[in-house]
Amino acid sequence: AQSVTQPDIHITVSEGASLELRCNYSYGATPYLFWYVQSPGQGLQLLLKYFSGDTLVQGIKGFEAEFKRSQSSFNLRKPSVHWSDAAEYFCAVGRLGGGNKLTFGTGTQLKVEL
Amino acid sequence: EPEVTQTPSHQVTQMGQEVILRCVPISNHLYFYWYRQILGQKVEFLVSFYNNEISEKSEIFDDQFSVERPDGSNFTLKIRSTKLEDSAMYFCASREKTGGGGEKLFFGSGTQLSVL
Repeated sequence: AQSVTQPDIHITVSEGASLELRCNYSYGATPYLFWYVQSPGQGLQLLLKYFSGDTLVQGIKGFEAEFKRSQSSFNLRKPSVHWSDAAEYFCAVGRLGGGNKLTFGTGTQLKVEL
Repeated sequence: EPEVTQTPSHQVTQMGQEVILRCVPISNHLYFYWYRQILGQKVEFLVSFYNNEISEKSEIFDDQFSVERPDGSNFTLKIRSTKLEDSAMYFCASREKTGGGGEKLFFGSGTQLSVL
């Protein structure tokens, strides 16, 4: 069965600092990988996704993520964090033919200090 | 960007009561989903719905749960007899087309269900 681990429950960074949120997945074949962001009172918004091809994917709001098969990881990065990035971030994995049945991680709560 | 709309944003109910959570997916979307998130836990898949029938459901989605697309625009989740452990944020989602699972899912902002 597929699973996702986000080892960091809370992360605090200063505005302008770089950010990396960790995600490790377990899946038997090439996964479809996603990062979603949830701001307070909002739904889940897709930041970026990986299916195949270039292992470095660019997303919205200046985020990027790198798929590393050897490490079963799909870490999310941003070179310079803005205060508005404070939110909860979820990594998710889907499977071919899964009809978008996504398995989510527990999320990482990001706090940005001004 | 188009939106999935969920109503109400908060629902409080007594244990044993029936609740219906409502969703209006994006108009040209074909696949519909319900997920839920118990406080402090993962977002969990409940059910997917396509062509007026359930295409997949999780073990959470037992006989107390049902989904329906009563007209061309609404997609509902009914919990027949609520339990305390049904308290969670329920997310509706939809997507546009068939494929290998990679198409973009659009999520609503959720309905917070509190069972007392």
